[in-house]
Amino acid sequence: EVQLVQSGAEVKKPGESLKISCKGSGYSFTNYWIGWVRQMPGKGLEWMGIIYAGDSDTRYSPSFQGQVTISADKSISTAYLQWSSLKASDTAMYYCARRSVGSTFDYWGQGTLVTVSS
Amino acid sequence: QSALTQPASVSGSPGQSITISCTGTSSDVGVYNYVSWYQQHPGKAPKLMIYDVSNRPSGVSNRFSGSKSGNTASLTISGLQAEDEADYYCSSYASSTTLGVFGGGTKLTVL
Repeated sequence: EVQLVQSGAEVKKPGESLKISCKGSGYSFTNYWIGWVRQMPGKGLEWMGIIYAGDSDTRYSPSFQGQVTISADKSISTAYLQWSSLKASDTAMYYCARRSVGSTFDYWGQGTLVTVSS
Repeated sequence: QSALTQPASVSGSPGQSITISCTGTSSDVGVYNYVSWYQQHPGKAPKLMIYDVSNRPSGVSNRFSGSKSGNTASLTISGLQAEDEADYYCSSYASSTTLGVFGGGTKLTVL
């Protein structure tokens, strides 16, 4: 069974750094892209970027380029999303998802809620 | 990359059929058959319902169907049931970014 299990909810202050994780299982982790999707409170889904777990080739949506860093450790089948300096506007639910073909995400993690507040 | 355009809300009675539209451009929906649809219940992760315009993943009810004409894709749900009440998002591959783009989402209310 394909599963993506994300790290738990985080509460941070503005300016702090953060790295959240997404561990894949039940499939060949290195043969797929993993994407990250943001959902701000009460809002829609937004593509952030994707990483190919096999060689860490990474692509970012223009709105998120330079704002976050996506990485992966194939030895432990885990992808990451990190911030160096959080802002209140980063408060959102973040989902990881496995990309199949085109832009399709066929399996999703349960989401990680990030709250940034002073 | 601008989001795809979906109606904010649609509604229907149990047993009826509804259609949700998703309008893009000649750089995404219009040129690629990589349109997918997701269902999201409150507090839950999105779930893939349709991929590659009209294909259903294993386990998804055949009451859900997808189609595309020009720059507009559509999701049709027939025989509406109470459990279909959710938010629905379309997505397409976009050549401008080589990534994807989502629609703004449509809230389906089953009356």
